[in-house]
Amino acid sequence: EAGVVQSPRYKIIEKKQPVAFWCNPISGHNTLYWYLQNLGQGPELLIRYENEEAVDDSQLPKDRFSAERLKGVDSTLKIQPAELGDSAVYLCASSLEDDNEQFFGPGTRLTVL
Amino acid sequence: AQTVTQSQPEMSVQEAETVTLSCTYDTSESNYYLFWYKQPPSRQMILVIRQEAYKQQNATENRFSVNFQKAAKSFSLKISDSQLGDTAMYFCAGSNAGGTSYGKLTFGQGTILTVHP
Repeated sequence: EAGVVQSPRYKIIEKKQPVAFWCNPISGHNTLYWYLQNLGQGPELLIRYENEEAVDDSQLPKDRFSAERLKGVDSTLKIQPAELGDSAVYLCASSLEDDNEQFFGPGTRLTVL
Repeated sequence: AQTVTQSQPEMSVQEAETVTLSCTYDTSESNYYLFWYKQPPSRQMILVIRQEAYKQQNATENRFSVNFQKAAKSFSLKISDSQLGDTAMYFCAGSNAGGTSYGKLTFGQGTILTVHP
């Protein structure tokens, strides 16, 4: 069974440019999470989806970050415009409904120059 | 809201020995879950073990076991017979068992574990 897929694995952009990350969760997992992980720290939740509904986006900086999961399967996280402080690893995770075990993808390492 | 604290930035152990990683947490919830996740250098986060707060029995998964002290708000991970493949960053995490924040993992700062041959 395929795990959580994320692309790209690495992205280097200049500040003020837009960037997008894509995540495909494990088949059948209706809950999807986006986390931000700064170097040497634990991940922090950005947004949680139940199917296509964002049920917790309280930690998402909505002035520059946006996310969508239109058909309740794969999801895209966007930053526009990117800032130097956005350099981090962006992790996607998924889980079955009512199961608290989250399965993580390999992450996208973003470098903003 | 939950807070999770790991006070050991780095730990090392000899292969085949036992090591214990510490974690303390704080929550106002009566029911919650606690987890240990492993993140090897490849960065894929993997669940090691989980504990439901209402269960008094400590969880065990093969060489991994926890010491859950609810009153002390302590949740340590013991790794027995350490193997080279156990080298990784270990994160302690917690989540509420219900409510709007169900499923939201709050992570500690992590402990880098190195297993030496």
